Amino acid sequence: ETGVTQTPRHLVMGMTNKKSLKCEQHLGHNAMYWYKQSAKKPLELMFVYSLEERVENNSVPSRFSPECPNSSHLFLHLHTLQPEDSALYLCASSPAGADTQYFGPGTRLTVL
Amino acid sequence: GESVGLHLPTLSVQEGDNSIINCAYSNSASDYFIWYKQESGKGPQFIIDIRSNMDKRQGQRVTVLLNKTVKHLSLQIAATQPGDSAVYFCAETHSGTYKYIFGTGTRLKVLA
Repeated sequence: ETGVTQTPRHLVMGMTNKKSLKCEQHLGHNAMYWYKQSAKKPLELMFVYSLEERVENNSVPSRFSPECPNSSHLFLHLHTLQPEDSALYLCASSPAGADTQYFGPGTRLTVL
Repeated sequence: GESVGLHLPTLSVQEGDNSIINCAYSNSASDYFIWYKQESGKGPQFIIDIRSNMDKRQGQRVTVLLNKTVKHLSLQIAATQPGDSAVYFCAETHSGTYKYIFGTGTRLKVLA
C-alpha cells in the first residue's frame, strides 16, 4: 500500500454517461496528480494540483474535469467520453514539486 | 527518457543473476530522477531515486547510476528474483516544476 487509494478500480461506461473517479491520499502531501496510461505509451500528465490550486493543465479535452476540494482528495469528472479514452487512470501525490511521487492502484476505464 | 515507443523492450534474466535496465533521459536541466516498478494490474511503485548532485545511490538489492554527461540512467538489480518480474520505467523532473517525463519502460522477465 502506497497511501494513495483510488475508486473505483474498474469502470465501464457508455459515451453518454457521466461518472467520477476518486483519489485520496493519506500521506499529508501537498501535490496531487492525474495521469493517463495507455498501452505501450509513457504516462501522460493530465492535471496537477498543489495546495488545492491547479498548477498544470496539459491540454486535456474538456470532457475531463478535475476537482480538488482539499489537499487529500482529488476527483476526475468524466462526461461524453470517447472509446479512445479507455485507459488506466492513475492518481499520484508528492510532498511538493520535483519530489517523489507515490501512485495509487489506478482505475481501469473502458468506454463503450 | 521521453519516447513514445510502439514496442516495449524486454529483458530476460536468469533467477539469481544481476539485471541492468537502462534509460536515456531527455532534458539536461533535469535534476531529480526516479525508478518505478509496475506489476500487471497495479500502479507504479517507487523503487529508488537520485538527485543530480550524485552519480550513484544504493538501496536494498538495487543501485541507480546517473551519467549526466550522456544523460543516461541505469537501474541495477542484484540477485534477481521471480518477484522482480514487472515493467520498470524511469522518470525525470527538475526543481520548480510539477512536470515529470516518464520513459516507456522495460519489461523484466525472470527465468526460473
